[in-house]
Parts: sequence; structure tokens; C-alpha cells
Amino acid sequence: NAGVTQTPKFRILKIGQSMTLQCTQDMNHNYMYWYRQDPGMGLKLIYYSVGAGITDKGEVPNGYNVSRSTTEDFPLRLELVAPSQTSVYFCASTWGVDTEAFFGQGTRLTVV
Amino acid sequence: GDSVTQMEGPVTLSEEAFLTINCTYTATGYPSLFWYVQYPGEGLQLLLKATKADDKGSNKGFEATYRKETTSFHLEKGSVQVSDSAVYFCALFGNNRLAFGKGNQVVVIP
Repeated sequence: NAGVTQTPKFRILKIGQSMTLQCTQDMNHNYMYWYRQDPGMGLKLIYYSVGAGITDKGEVPNGYNVSRSTTEDFPLRLELVAPSQTSVYFCASTWGVDTEAFFGQGTRLTVV
Repeated sequence: GDSVTQMEGPVTLSEEAFLTINCTYTATGYPSLFWYVQYPGEGLQLLLKATKADDKGSNKGFEATYRKETTSFHLEKGSVQVSDSAVYFCALFGNNRLAFGKGNQVVVIP
């Protein structure tokens, strides 16, 4: 049982490049989330999904996009990256309501 | 929208001291409340939870009580150890979202 798997762990991009952060969970969770974590700022919700085919914006969606074609996968697409997107990104999944959320190990992204 | 507020600033204390981290929330309805812990270089892990008013969550000597009247879920531990040094996040689940506070860095000095 792998839990939540995020790839890559580290990445350096140049301004204007694009990339996809991968997130996969094997717990059959309906709810999945993408957060970014900046120093001293906690976790800010980028996008979330309550099931396959359904996605919704969180607090800070600009510059990002997601899809949820299967229950297992919830990739985060970054287009034309900017230095402001330098952050640590976490994917999480849960059954919802009163159950534990499981987190990936994070992706540290630097935009130069 | 639903949100969580944690007390400002890091917390530094000596081993065996009493720890309190304040957390208050704003929500429509009755959210589930959580405390998560993050160790350096890792993702978050669930520490404890409470799903309804007056519930007390507890784990590893940590406790928190869901107080609807004060909309609070303060984290406490009677005697901290160096191994408790980490970042602690208060969170709620409401309206399909899992929302987190800013987190508090806790440093326990031997």
C-alpha cells in the first residue's frame, strides 16, 4: 500500500517553462487536494476534487490547472511558470469529512 | 469561507514544559477538526482529530477538545520532549475543503 505518491521530489525550472506535478493514490479516496507551502504561510489550497471528473478552485488557482480523469490520479499543471510559483507543493487525499488525510512527500519547485 | 486561525509565531520551550497552541475556526455548519504535525522534509501526518462538539482527540500525550461555544480546538501536551519539535497545523474539513492554519513551529530545548 503506497499511499500518496508525488513526483518529482525536486525540480528547477526557468521562467516561462511548463511542467506537470504527478499525484497518485491507491486508497480509492474520493477527495484529492493540491496545496502549496511557503515559509511561514501554512498550506494554501490550489485546487481540489471530490471525485473523478470533478475539480474546483481553491484559494490560489491562478497559474495552475488540474484534471481528474481517474480516481487515482490528480496531476497539477503549471504553465508558463513565474518566480512567484517557487514553493513546496503537496498532494493529499482523504475519504472526507471526519477521516484522516494522507499527504505525499512534497515537490520542491524553484523557478529561476 | 471556512478558515482556521492559529496563534502567531514559533514556540520555544524546555523539555518537560507544558505546551499549548491556540486554534480557532470560522465555519458554517459543524466541521471536523484536526491537528497535523510536520517533521522536517516530510509531508503532514495526522496527530489527532475531533468530529463533533465536546469531543476530545488525543494521541501521543497530545490532547485537544472541540469547543463549539468558543469555536476553538487548542492543542495541549503536559510534558514535551525534544522529539516533539516539529511544525503543528490546525485544520478543518468543511464544504468539501480541507483548510489549514498557518502552522506553529515548536522547538523543544533539552
